[in-house]
Amino acid sequence: GENVEQHPSTLSVQEGDSAVIKCTYSDSASNYFPWYKQELGKRPQLIIDIRSNVGEKKDQRIAVTLNKTAKHFSLHITETQPEDSAVYFCAASIGGGGGADGLTFGKGTHLIIQP
Amino acid sequence: NAGVTQTPKFQVLKTGQSMTLQCAQDMNHNSMYWYRQDPGMGLRLIYYSASEGTTDKGEVPNGYNVSRLNKREFSLRLESAAPSQTSVYFCASSGGTGANSPLHFGNGTRLTVT
Repeated sequence: GENVEQHPSTLSVQEGDSAVIKCTYSDSASNYFPWYKQELGKRPQLIIDIRSNVGEKKDQRIAVTLNKTAKHFSLHITETQPEDSAVYFCAASIGGGGGADGLTFGKGTHLIIQP
Repeated sequence: NAGVTQTPKFQVLKTGQSMTLQCAQDMNHNSMYWYRQDPGMGLRLIYYSASEGTTDKGEVPNGYNVSRLNKREFSLRLESAAPSQTSVYFCASSGGTGANSPLHFGNGTRLTVT
């Protein structure tokens, strides 16, 4: 099955700096790559996603890049703010039904924004 | 619009007891999922249901059973709880076919088995 590795497990950055979280996946058939943010004691919530026919996607201060050849995708947060402090999860999915289903998640990155 | 609703929010069980976690969604989604979240382990898929009437095992199905009662409801049952099942359980749903569309999570059930 799919295996998703996520690094680093903890990331501390100064407020206003950029943060980058990286994930690799094992199954070249994976075609959907979402990122979820989970604040302490809350449910995971989707912040951005990308599909395999796109190399980069941006939404205000957040961007995701995908390198299908290397089986690698990254989350970039610019101009970090205190409210960005949370655990971030990457995930990968073959999707499309017809067999393996459900997202495979990375183990998470605890992002700490230092004032 | 409530989204995905899970009950209960908290539960303490003794080893060997049984219980059912309830989940309902009001977004008319076809697919529903049960995940467990443990510290340092991320979210692991227990079971999923791609459509009403179908269920399939995920990564960690042992010790659990599920029922897709109708399109709205997907329950998770622990027949004989074990301490290893202490975890936070999340139900989720998605509108697409397969896991290639966003997941909407419930607020979670924190289960402790003593």
